[in-house]
Amino acid sequence: AQTVTQSQPEMSVQEAETVTLSCTYDTSENNYYLFWYKQPPSRQMILVIRQEAYKQQNATENRFSVNFQKAAKSFSLKISDSQLGDTAMYFCAFMGTIGGAQKLVFGQGTRLTINP
Amino acid sequence: NAGVMQNPRHLVRRRGQEARLRCSPMKGHSHVYWYRQLPEEGLKFMVYLQKENIIDESGMPKERFSAEFPKEGPSILRIQQVVRGDSAAYFCASSPTVGVSSYNSPLHFGNGTRLTVT
Repeated sequence: AQTVTQSQPEMSVQEAETVTLSCTYDTSENNYYLFWYKQPPSRQMILVIRQEAYKQQNATENRFSVNFQKAAKSFSLKISDSQLGDTAMYFCAFMGTIGGAQKLVFGQGTRLTINP
Repeated sequence: NAGVMQNPRHLVRRRGQEARLRCSPMKGHSHVYWYRQLPEEGLKFMVYLQKENIIDESGMPKERFSAEFPKEGPSILRIQQVVRGDSAAYFCASSPTVGVSSYNSPLHFGNGTRLTVT
């Protein structure tokens, strides 16, 4: 079964600093997608960034970028020039074809706090 | 284009009562997923439905829980005889299609229903 592991329950950095959130996953599939979702206190699930496994180039979205290491099954998220509004829970997620049905598998989450 | 709509936003039930959670997917989406989030935990997959079909219910408890997505109307997650351990946030997500092309469309999430069992 696919699993996603986030080994950092909590992280805290100062505003404007760069922070990296770790994520590893386990799968036997070759074709899949990886995602980072942000969940602020409002509970809304907001897609931050996604990566196609067949693409070697790391995805970037403004201040957010990933370091995708397919062989190591690692998918970390880097937030540059962090802002107070980045404070939230961050979830790493895997999507493949599991038993013929496509679904997202989430990690346990990392609570990120940006301090002023 | 309205997003995924879940109601109610908050639901309080006493032990032994029934809870009904509703989810209207985005317009044009025919695939619905339900997830449960316990406090300080990630989202756990429960069930995946297409119109009038349950595709994967491997994450749903065998007893007291059921889900449906009728041809007309919202998807319903029903929890019978609720217990305190059912207290959680329940999220619905939808997607337009399944297949290679759908990898370009991540799931769109609703804002969740927070169920509290007293």
